[in-house]
Amino acid sequence: AQSVTQLDSQVPVFEEAPVELRCNYSSSVSVYLFWYVQYPNQGLQLLLKYLSGSTLVKGINGFEAEFNKSQTSFHLRKPSVHISDTAEYFCAVKLYSGGSNYKLTFGKGTLLTVNP
Amino acid sequence: DAMVIQNPRYQVTQFGKPVTLSCSQTLNHNVMYWYQQKSSQAPKLLFHYYDKDFNNEADTPDNFQSRRPNTSFCFLDIRSPGLGDAAMYLCATSKRTGALYNEQFFGPGTRLTVL
Repeated sequence: AQSVTQLDSQVPVFEEAPVELRCNYSSSVSVYLFWYVQYPNQGLQLLLKYLSGSTLVKGINGFEAEFNKSQTSFHLRKPSVHISDTAEYFCAVKLYSGGSNYKLTFGKGTLLTVNP
Repeated sequence: DAMVIQNPRYQVTQFGKPVTLSCSQTLNHNVMYWYQQKSSQAPKLLFHYYDKDFNNEADTPDNFQSRRPNTSFCFLDIRSPGLGDAAMYLCATSKRTGALYNEQFFGPGTRLTVL
């Protein structure tokens, strides 16, 4: 079975500081990994995804993530955050759910709060 | 712009009174999903349609039903809402081509309040 662990439920940082949001997954097969962002009272927006190829993935809004197979991690990073980055961030992994079906399994989310 | 639209954005219903949430998409995607997201929790998949094929999650209560009359529309019906069904309901779509998995595009959600 696959699962996703986001180690920090809340991460407070100051504006212009770097940030890393941690995500670990458990799986014995190849995986597709995603990071989504959710602003208050809105749906989820895809930040970036890893399907194959280069382990360093660049996404929107200056975010990037590195797929580390040996550590089964997919941490999200940004070198300098803005107030507008305040949101909930979800890590997700594609899960094979039988037959020809797949579904996303989400971590519990990390609330990033950027303070002035 | 192609998008996923959910109506209404906010829905208030009474305990036990049936309610229907609507989702439409202009992306022409063949897969549509419904998620339930309770406060400060991750989205939880309820079910999805792959074209006309309905796929229910094993732990989705019978109180939740879905209809997909055509490619563009999908409805979530809650037959007898309980207080525990108050949540944000998210619709998502994706284009599935064979075994290739593509990312899901989410709508803005409908926040359901049960009085």
